[in-house]
Amino acid sequence: NAGVTQTPKFQVLKTGQSMTLQCAQDMNHNSMYWYRQDPGMGLRLIYYSASEGTTDKGEVPNGYNVSRLNKREFSLRLESAAPSQTSVYFCASSRLQSNQPQHFGDGTRLSIL
Amino acid sequence: TQLLEQSPQFLSIQEGENLTVYCNSSSVFSSLQWYRQEPGEGPVLLVTVVTGGEVKKLKRLTFQFGDARKDSSLHITAAQPGDTGLYLCAVYSGGSNYKLTFGKGTLLTVNP
Repeated sequence: NAGVTQTPKFQVLKTGQSMTLQCAQDMNHNSMYWYRQDPGMGLRLIYYSASEGTTDKGEVPNGYNVSRLNKREFSLRLESAAPSQTSVYFCASSRLQSNQPQHFGDGTRLSIL
Repeated sequence: TQLLEQSPQFLSIQEGENLTVYCNSSSVFSSLQWYRQEPGEGPVLLVTVVTGGEVKKLKRLTFQFGDARKDSSLHITAAQPGDTGLYLCAVYSGGSNYKLTFGKGTLLTVNP
C-alpha cells in the first residue's frame, strides 16, 4: 500500500544546477500538491494541481515549475537551484472535495551548496 | 500575520504527564484538521473537526473545536514516547478546497 511516493529521498546540488523531484500516488486522487518545509516557517504550498490538466501557484512559487504528467504523477522542477531552496519538499494528494485530508509522501531532503 | 498560531512551539515532558496544545486564529473556519509528523516522515492526518464545540477522541488524544470555530485544542492524557512528534493544525482558507494552510506546529518530546 504505497500511497504517495517521492523520489529521490535525498539530493545535494550545486548552485545553478537543475533537477526534477518526482511524485506519484496510487490512491486515484484528483488533487496533488507540492510543499516545502523549513525550520520556523512550517509547511508552505509551492504549487498545486486541483485536477489532471490544471496547475496553480501556491504561496511560494518563485523559482519552481510543475508538471501534472497524468492523474498519478506530479513533478516539481528547479531550473536553476539557489541556496535559498535548501529545504525538505513534500508531495501530497487528496480527493477533489471539501475538507478532505491530504496524504503526504515522506519527503525529499534537498541541499543546495 | 500568521493565519494559525500554535502554542507552545516546543514542549518536553515526562512519560505519563498530560498536556494541551493550542491552535488559534482570528478567522472563522468551516473545519480544522490536526496532523502529526514523525521525524523523517510526512504529516499524517489525526482528525478533522467541523462543528463549533465539537469534541473528538482518538484513544488518549482529545480534540476540541472552539464554539466560534476560530480555535482548537489537542489534549493528550498520559503521554507516551510514541506520542513524540510535530503536531500541526491546518485549515482550508480563502474559500478554497485546495489551499491548505498550516500552523508552524508544536514539537512534542515525551521522555521515558
